[in-house]
Amino acid sequence: EVQLVESGGGLVQPGGSRRLSCAASGFTFSGAGVHWVRQASGNGLEWVGHIRTKANSYATGYSASVKGRFIISRDDSKNTAYLQMNSLKTEDTAVYYCAVYSGYDSFFFDDWGQGTVVTVSS
Amino acid sequence: DIQMTQSPSSLSASVGDRVTITCRASQGISNYLAWFQQKPGKAPKSLIYAASTLQSGVPSKFSGSGSGTDFTLTISSLQPEDFATYYCQQYKTYPAFGGGTKVEIK
Repeated sequence: EVQLVESGGGLVQPGGSRRLSCAASGFTFSGAGVHWVRQASGNGLEWVGHIRTKANSYATGYSASVKGRFIISRDDSKNTAYLQMNSLKTEDTAVYYCAVYSGYDSFFFDDWGQGTVVTVSS
Repeated sequence: DIQMTQSPSSLSASVGDRVTITCRASQGISNYLAWFQQKPGKAPKSLIYAASTLQSGVPSKFSGSGSGTDFTLTISSLQPEDFATYYCQQYKTYPAFGGGTKVEIK
């Protein structure tokens, strides 16, 4: 069974940084692209970015709203992906989910974690 | 970037009703379209991919159709557990979600 567990959320001041983790199990993590999606309270879903597999040179892609501030990385030896968030703004406040299509490196994803809450506030 | 537009943004329906939600892409995406259901406080759940293929375990009352730019999600007979928010998502390129459709009890 695919399991994704996000952690690292919390309260951070505007301009600050935070690193989220996504620990995976139940599938071949190294063969899967990992996506991050966020949802501000009462709002819809927003794709944040993704990281591809080693076979695809760990390529990354980001939404315009976070490009240049957020960095996605992964450690296949730990079955974990990371979202490094820098220069945080109040509008980055959201639940952050990681998601995968287990075993595949794709723009499609169907397994989600439970999410971790990031609050950007002074 | 491809934009996804869902309609309606909300609807009220009764148990047993047939419900249809539409989703339009700003450019052709073939059948690279997924539908998700989300309940309050929970992560989204995948219902349909490739526009019309039901995920394993999803009841057949859900169906999807469309190709190119216009898509629909239909719930044939609404049940209490189906009251939720539904999102379409294109995955032909960098993923993009529709704004969501909240299905409420009439």
